[in-house]
Amino acid sequence: GQQLNQSPQSMFIQEGEDVSMNCTSSSIFNTWLWYKQDPGEGPVLLIALYKAGELTSNGRLTAQFGITRKDSFLNISASIPSDVGIYFCAGYQGGSEKLVFGKGTKLTVNP
Amino acid sequence: GAVVSQHPSRVICKSGTSVKIECRSLDFQATTMFWYRQFPKQSLMLMATSNEGSKATYEQGVEKDKFLINHASLTLSTLTVTSAHPEDSSFYICSASPAHNNEQFFGPGTRLTVL
Repeated sequence: GQQLNQSPQSMFIQEGEDVSMNCTSSSIFNTWLWYKQDPGEGPVLLIALYKAGELTSNGRLTAQFGITRKDSFLNISASIPSDVGIYFCAGYQGGSEKLVFGKGTKLTVNP
Repeated sequence: GAVVSQHPSRVICKSGTSVKIECRSLDFQATTMFWYRQFPKQSLMLMATSNEGSKATYEQGVEKDKFLINHASLTLSTLTVTSAHPEDSSFYICSASPAHNNEQFFGPGTRLTVL
């Protein structure tokens, strides 16, 4: 089925650095969601985007809904050790109620 | 707000037994709940969509007689893994969407180990 292309697959950064990850699709999405998952836990919703071009922040996190509606990015500024985890992009297409997920970006932050 | 709980968080059972997992939306009503399965180092795989008061819609390749889903109320959905086998061992996660809102909020997951 439809999948989102999420990159990078993994990132190793130093504490304090900024991070950027993105998702792309060959199809149009009408909602983009970004989640973070810690080991052994369920995903936690970070940011939801509903309009093309929308730029939304949540603390040190900023995400944008691409103008073409086929991509989205998530930025994390001034990373801290607790940012470690797996970040998933997800989205809805058309009238579907099913979330399509990216494969995740595993973030490691070195103190 | 938008808290989803799952019970149990971990379960170990013998092969051939059945296991029931509960998913509850604690502070909102969810007309739709979803059940996912996640293997190590992989993304979430949708198993079925559960609508309150109606039969669940299963994804291709998911056995509906193996994974029984009941969504009896607007705050509770259950997944029963029947006659569990070791290959059913996985991390099962539910999610729920509030009415008129397509954001999905996930439960903390249930780790199932079948011996």
